[in-house]
Amino acid sequence: GENVEQHPSTLSVQEGDSAVIKCTYSDSASNYFPWYKQELGKGPQLIIDIRSNVGEKKDQRIAVTLNKTAKHFSLHITETQPEDSAVYFCAASKGNQFYFGTGTSLTVIP
Amino acid sequence: EAGVAQSPRYKIIEKRQSVAFWCNPISGHATLYWYQQILGQGPKLLIQFQNNGVVDDSQLPKDRFSAERLKGVDSTLKIQPAKLEDSAVYLCASSLFSSGSHEQFFGPGTRLTVL
Repeated sequence: GENVEQHPSTLSVQEGDSAVIKCTYSDSASNYFPWYKQELGKGPQLIIDIRSNVGEKKDQRIAVTLNKTAKHFSLHITETQPEDSAVYFCAASKGNQFYFGTGTSLTVIP
Repeated sequence: EAGVAQSPRYKIIEKRQSVAFWCNPISGHATLYWYQQILGQGPKLLIQFQNNGVVDDSQLPKDRFSAERLKGVDSTLKIQPAKLEDSAVYLCASSLFSSGSHEQFFGPGTRLTVL
């Protein structure tokens, strides 16, 4: 089956700095890569996703890059704000099956 | 549109007791997932339904866990008997999974504590 690894497990940045979270996957058949933000006491919420036919996607301060050859993808958050503090999960999907990373706890220091 | 609903939000039981969780997915979503999220870890799939049929239950501990999705809408997940290691958040998610959309929508989860 698919194995998704995520790094780092914790990340602290100063407000206004950038944050980068990286994931690798093992199954070359995976073709959809969503990123979720999970705030305390809530379920994960999709913040951005990318499909395997695209190398990069951007939505305001958030961007995701995908390297299919190396089987890794990354989340980039620019101009971080305190409200970006949360746990972020990457996932790899093929068909309608999803495999999640172990999460990154991001703290943005005001 | 209304999101994925789950109840209860919190449950505390003693080991060897039984517990059941309920999920109501987004209307029209054929795919429903139950995940177990242990503190500090990512969600782990327990079971996946497509309408009222099981697509994947390979990681469901079938000696104690069961799930059903009658009529292809609501779903219940049951644990009987519970063990200490079952303490976790149980997340329900649903997906339309059409050719243009893969997005999963998660409910708020049920936090289970087994004493």
